[in-house]
Amino acid sequence: AQSVTQLGSHVSVSEGALVLLRCNYSSSVPPYLFWYVQYPNQGLQLLLKYTTGATLVKGINGFEAEFKKSETSFHLTKPSAHMSDAAEYFCAVSWLGGAQKLVFGQGTRLTINP
Amino acid sequence: GAVVSQHPSWVICKSGTSVKIECRSLDFQATTMFWYRQFPKQSLMLMATSNEGSKATYEQGVEKDKFLINHASLTLSTLTVTSAHPEDSSFYICSATRDSSGNTIYFGEGSWLTVV
Repeated sequence: AQSVTQLGSHVSVSEGALVLLRCNYSSSVPPYLFWYVQYPNQGLQLLLKYTTGATLVKGINGFEAEFKKSETSFHLTKPSAHMSDAAEYFCAVSWLGGAQKLVFGQGTRLTINP
Repeated sequence: GAVVSQHPSWVICKSGTSVKIECRSLDFQATTMFWYRQFPKQSLMLMATSNEGSKATYEQGVEKDKFLINHASLTLSTLTVTSAHPEDSSFYICSATRDSSGNTIYFGEGSWLTVV
């Protein structure tokens, strides 16, 4: 069964520092990969997604992620954290033939220290 | 861009009553919609997949008779929590896909349900 693992339920970085949120997946077929952000008391907002093509994907708010098939990873990064980046981040996977169902990771809460 | 809207955003109901949550795709036709629930500080768990004009497909462990899903049109799916109990209190989120490729999925804002 497909699964998604986010390493670290809570990540804390200083403002201006690098943000790295880890995501690994298990899938027997080529996946579609997503990162979503959830601000308090709100729904999900898509940050970026990988379907096919270039493995380095750029998203909104300066975030990017790289699909590494050999490592079954899709880590999310941002060179310089901003206070407004504080939120919950979810990695998710779907797959061709999976009826577009998303399987979510456990989520990582990102805290930005001033 | 595509927008998916949920209503209500917040609802409080008494134990034993039923409550309906609507999910609408505002500017596209959604052949498939998905319902998720999220407990506090936890991830989203898929409850069911809703296809227009047919019965919903429920995930294992989700009670079909308790969580009634109707997808009567290409722009509207409803989730009805029947005979609600406090343990049903949760954040319910819907999503909709506008194509068959599986890579364009839009989420609603979510609905907070509190059962007292």
